[in-house]
Amino acid sequence: DIQMTQSPSSLSASVGDRVTITCRASQTISTYLSWYHQRPGKAPKVLVYAASRLESGVPSRFSGSGSGTDFTLTISSLQPDDFGTYYCQQSYNTPHIFGPGTKLEIK
Amino acid sequence: EVQLVQSGAEVKKPGESLKISCKASGYTFTKNWIGWVRQVPGKGLEWMGIIYPDDSDTRYSPSFQGQVTISVDRSVTTVYLQWSSLKASDTAMYYCARHVLDCSGLDCYSEHFDYWGQGTLVTVSS
Repeated sequence: DIQMTQSPSSLSASVGDRVTITCRASQTISTYLSWYHQRPGKAPKVLVYAASRLESGVPSRFSGSGSGTDFTLTISSLQPDDFGTYYCQQSYNTPHIFGPGTKLEIK
Repeated sequence: EVQLVQSGAEVKKPGESLKISCKASGYTFTKNWIGWVRQVPGKGLEWMGIIYPDDSDTRYSPSFQGQVTISVDRSVTTVYLQWSSLKASDTAMYYCARHVLDCSGLDCYSEHFDYWGQGTLVTVSS
């Protein structure tokens, strides 16, 4: 199976800050990488797919980049609604493993 | 409007069987894979498997192969996740999600879950 790692595992940032989360795959996955956001008690929602394509309706402050094994999710200006946990997911091979998550707290 | 509506919360005893459901609407049911994702309380997301409703082709994660069964009933546009003998370690929230292929013509470059059900909480306790 392809393994996924994320860093940091948690972070605390202030409204307006630029936040970057990284995700690494154990082998190349081309652009088969998605990012999801999950608030407590809610189902995850996709933010970015194909490594850099923004899902319809997702605010433009979110962006994704990378290909191969290294990927980043950037929030250009953190908003109060952005708290929660962020997960990357590879879909290059089954099983489509999720990363362990990055918990984001708003200061 | 695409919707995935899951069955309600369940409380079961170890050794009991269970089948939970995910009813899809708002799109052509047979054209998209649907997957199941487990989330143990306080933990991350685990990909369990996916099924293609058109021909019931199913792919399981090795971690869940033989532990659960994913099935479909096209007549009611519903996908199921079932256990024959529950364990306490099956206690979790279970989500279904619609799987899409990201393609430009015949050239595909990614896949992802675009719509999710609301989740079904399964509690297994003696």
